[in-house]
Amino acid sequence: NSKVIQTPRYLVKGQGQKAKMRCIPEKGHPVVFWYQQNKNNEFKFLINFQNQEVLQQIDMTEKRFSAECPSNSPCSLEIQSSEAGDSALYLCASSPGGAETLYFGSGTRLTVL
Amino acid sequence: QQKVQQSPESLIVPEGAMTSLNCTFSDSASQYFAWYRQHSGKAPKALMSIFSNGEKEEGRFTIHLNKASLHFSLHIRDSQPSDSALYLCAVRDMGYKLTFGTGTSLLVDP
Repeated sequence: NSKVIQTPRYLVKGQGQKAKMRCIPEKGHPVVFWYQQNKNNEFKFLINFQNQEVLQQIDMTEKRFSAECPSNSPCSLEIQSSEAGDSALYLCASSPGGAETLYFGSGTRLTVL
Repeated sequence: QQKVQQSPESLIVPEGAMTSLNCTFSDSASQYFAWYRQHSGKAPKALMSIFSNGEKEEGRFTIHLNKASLHFSLHIRDSQPSDSALYLCAVRDMGYKLTFGTGTSLLVDP
């Protein structure tokens, strides 16, 4: 079983609503990634952190997406104003270093009605 | 921007057969190449990875990399029904980001 814990497992929001999901990386893993997997299985990289610092991120369209990894708290990904096109599986992964092997959580499946 | 493509999109093989999955990438400076497997409703899980040209075997799985051809592959010997899953290749270029392909859906028919 995955040691990366993502909550909630399912999230249903109306258009325009805020959606927030959380991730607890595997213990001892300082690098955290967020990916979006759409219904066509396309993986879209969103952002990654090393400890609390952002390493890389996409140009988060319209700034609707934000993410953070505070110390001693779960990492989080938030969509300020959900759109139908945001419906997807959001996967969090952690790594002991670099990106050699990512350890994924089971994901949060977001449905925007 | 790195482009990673997989073929075939889907595959059905009989139990015991050899399965071959392909992945092409666009950035010749790519440094790390991996295969992940995702069973339905589960988290993707790393299968194996390679850094330099050549082959690497782990149990029934073999990964083969040809950087000059911008191609790597995964071969599964003696395919089992439990191997039925979505197989994703992934490539890392400069930086930490892994770029994933869109997957090959494998069904092993018992």
